[in-house]
Amino acid sequence: DVKVTQSSRYLVKRTGEKVFLECVQDMDHENMFWYRQDPGLGLRLIYFSYDVKMKEKGDIPEGYSVSREKKERFSLILESASTNQTSMYLCASSLLASGIIYNEQFFGPGTRLTVL
Amino acid sequence: AQKVTQAQTEISVVEKEDVTLDCVYETRDTTYYLFWYKQPPSGELVFLIRRNSFDEQNEISGRYSWNFQKSTSSFNFTITASQVVDSAVYFCALSGLNSGSRLTFGEGTQLTVNP
Repeated sequence: DVKVTQSSRYLVKRTGEKVFLECVQDMDHENMFWYRQDPGLGLRLIYFSYDVKMKEKGDIPEGYSVSREKKERFSLILESASTNQTSMYLCASSLLASGIIYNEQFFGPGTRLTVL
Repeated sequence: AQKVTQAQTEISVVEKEDVTLDCVYETRDTTYYLFWYKQPPSGELVFLIRRNSFDEQNEISGRYSWNFQKSTSSFNFTITASQVVDSAVYFCALSGLNSGSRLTFGEGTQLTVNP
């Protein structure tokens, strides 16, 4: 079974703090993704990575950065947390798409972040 | 640009009723994939189905069935004889061939099945 784990289920931080959200997958997937989920907005892509040290901006990258030093680990960084970053953060991974075969993404349990 | 619309924000049914969740999509890609995910209260999204744009056959898996119609750009999901355990948020998602591995999600539909 594919397993995607996230470092915390719940996190409370203060405005201005630097926040690290960690994600690890154990299936040797090339692709990894960070989403945030807000009511009525579905999931929105923040950043993704298709290889070690590679990253691409998603739809809402402002205020976030990422790091992928090892294939199995993808970190989301909030350089200076703000209250509007209070949200559920979901990590996902998938195999690299091959030709016209697209592979489904597997998700972690999510981190509910509250910024006070 | 891609877009997925799930117009039903919340649906409430009584156990054993059939329920259909609507999904309408927009894409300029001629090759694309559609997905449904389930998010139970525990929070983790669970993959349910993937469909490619060349395969319009409907699919049935137990109490679940999916109706893909390219003519109306819809990929609807029906649960037959709903159960309390079906209560969850359901997301429809789309990936076009030219969008790489990126998924575009709909807003989600909260389904509540009451005993």
